Amino acid sequence: GENVEQHPSTLSVQEGDSAVIKCTYSDSASNYFPWYKQELGKRPQLIIDIRSNVGEKKDQRIAVTLNKTAKHFSLHITETQPEDSAVYFCAATFNTNAGKSTFGDGTTLTVKP
Amino acid sequence: DAGVIQSPRHEVTEMGQEVTLRCKPISGHNSLFWYRQTMMRGLELLIYFNNNVPIDDSGMPEDRFSAKMPNASFSTLKIQPSEPRDSAVYFCASSLGQASTGELFFGEGSRLTVL
Repeated sequence: GENVEQHPSTLSVQEGDSAVIKCTYSDSASNYFPWYKQELGKRPQLIIDIRSNVGEKKDQRIAVTLNKTAKHFSLHITETQPEDSAVYFCAATFNTNAGKSTFGDGTTLTVKP
Repeated sequence: DAGVIQSPRHEVTEMGQEVTLRCKPISGHNSLFWYRQTMMRGLELLIYFNNNVPIDDSGMPEDRFSAKMPNASFSTLKIQPSEPRDSAVYFCASSLGQASTGELFFGEGSRLTVL
């Protein structure tokens, strides 16, 4: 089955700095890569996603890049703010499995004011 | 839509008792997933259904766990008998299924504590 590794497990940055979280996956058939943000005590919520036919996608301060050959993808947050502090999960999904996603272990991001 | 609805939000029980967690997916969503979240093991997929049919239950820890989806708007996850190591947050999530992007919509979760 699919295996997703996520690094780092914790990340602390100063407000205004950039944060980068990296994930690798094992199944070359995976074709959908979402990122979820989970605030303390809340549910995971999708913040951005990318499909395997695209190399990069950006939404305001958040961007995701995908390297299919190397089987890794990354989340980039620029101009970080304290409200970006949360746990971020990457996932790899094989669509024909009705959206079954395998999650990374999560990265706890702390943005210091 | 109200989103995915889970109940109870919190459950405290004693070892050996039966626990039933409930989930109502978003109307029109064809796939339903049960995840368990702990500090040690992260987000683990326990089982998922497509059109009310269990597709993959390989993540169910053992026979003490069972899940049902009798219709498109309701699913249960049952633990019998419960053990302290079952303490976790259990999330239900739904998606549009094969016709969708794959985005998961999570419920608020059920926090289970087994004493």
